[in-house]
Amino acid sequence: EAGVTQSPTHLIKTRGQQATLRCSPISGHTSVYWYQQALGLGLQFLLWYDEGEERNRGNFPPRFSGRQFPNYSSELNVNALELEDSALYLCASSLPGTGGEKLFFGSGTQLSVL
Amino acid sequence: RKEVEQDPGPFNVPEGATVAFNCTYSNSASQSFFWYRQDCRKEPKLLMSVYSSGNEDGRFTAQLNRASQYISLLIRDSKLSDSATYLCVVNYNNNDMRFGAGTRLTVKP
Repeated sequence: EAGVTQSPTHLIKTRGQQATLRCSPISGHTSVYWYQQALGLGLQFLLWYDEGEERNRGNFPPRFSGRQFPNYSSELNVNALELEDSALYLCASSLPGTGGEKLFFGSGTQLSVL
Repeated sequence: RKEVEQDPGPFNVPEGATVAFNCTYSNSASQSFFWYRQDCRKEPKLLMSVYSSGNEDGRFTAQLNRASQYISLLIRDSKLSDSATYLCVVNYNNNDMRFGAGTRLTVKP
């Protein structure tokens, strides 16, 4: 069975551009979480989607947004990119009803903003 | 105070050693706690949940102290394959899972 898949693996953008990152959860998982992991820092919670709705949001500016599609895949959009947005963006999924307590992560998208 | 705080290490221990990591959290209302493991350049993976009564899984023991707001992970008889970064995770509020920055462990022959 396929795990959580993310694309692209690497993304290079310049300051001010927009980035779109994609995530496909494990089959049967309805919740998708997005995290940012900057170099040397822990994972910072960005967004949680469940059943197509945004359920919770971390302490990030509105230029970080996303959505979840009917097939439970998800997209993270980052507008007006800044240099400090350079990081590994990890997507995770979980089974319904597990409360996000058992997260399965994808391999991430490494975003570099030049 | 950081929401989830860990000693970043690194902890360098010989094979067979016992090593313990602590983690403190700021939100006293947090209900669930976990340890994840992250290998270099890989995604985090769940190692174990932490229950109020403490729990053990082979060489790994996790403890929770709600009064002092900390959790711990004990690894006995360390193996080379235990080398990784160990992430403390707290369900902060409404599935807002807060991760610590991680503690790096290197087990040497």
